[in-house]
Amino acid sequence: GAVVSQHPSRVICKSGTSVKIECRSLDFQATTMFWYRQFPKQSLMLMATSNEGSKATYEQGVEKDKFLINHASLTLSTLTVTSAHPEDSSFYICSARDTRGDGYEQYFGPGTRLTVT
Amino acid sequence: AQSVSQHNHHVILSEAASLELGCNYSYGGTVNLFWYVQYPGQHLQLLLKYFSGDPLVKGIKGFEAEFIKSKFSFNLRKPSVQWSDTAEYFCALSKKSSGDKLTFGTGTRLAVRP
Repeated sequence: GAVVSQHPSRVICKSGTSVKIECRSLDFQATTMFWYRQFPKQSLMLMATSNEGSKATYEQGVEKDKFLINHASLTLSTLTVTSAHPEDSSFYICSARDTRGDGYEQYFGPGTRLTVT
Repeated sequence: AQSVSQHNHHVILSEAASLELGCNYSYGGTVNLFWYVQYPGQHLQLLLKYFSGDPLVKGIKGFEAEFIKSKFSFNLRKPSVQWSDTAEYFCALSKKSSGDKLTFGTGTRLAVRP
């Protein structure tokens, strides 16, 4: 099956700094990737849709200037949390859409746990 | 806006027991429906999906789900669970009109006792 990786798996940063999270599709090309946020004991909330070669589409209530998304290649999307604050601490998960076959399935990365101190 | 409800937050079963996890959604249009599983320490994996056709969908590892349009439901079933089925299960939908954006339910944590 298709594999999606995320790096780093865990990151701790100080308030006010920026953190970059990478999402890679390892064995397929993904024109579309998605970024989710998961709070403890809650569901995944879609933050934005990342499109290769164009601007990301953000969900309502997500600050585009705070959560910068870049999808520079068909296998890599990055999420940068700018000027991070403790309330940004969360589990961030990406997925990549595999358009091979018939299902347009999304494959999920293992997630990145961000802790802002 | 669409939403997905999973009413069972925690389920504890003994091995060989039958499983049914509820999933109801709210949306007036046509949807695609999914069940994902997250084993401890692992990433989300697709169990099964419904796009169209036969409302009874079979997935991996002996799981199946039935789409009942009149009830806006897509319950997950397995006739006999194993200890290795211990995981968190998420129901999700995407609107056929808006591509692949997924809306997830809150998840059901299943613990299977050996």
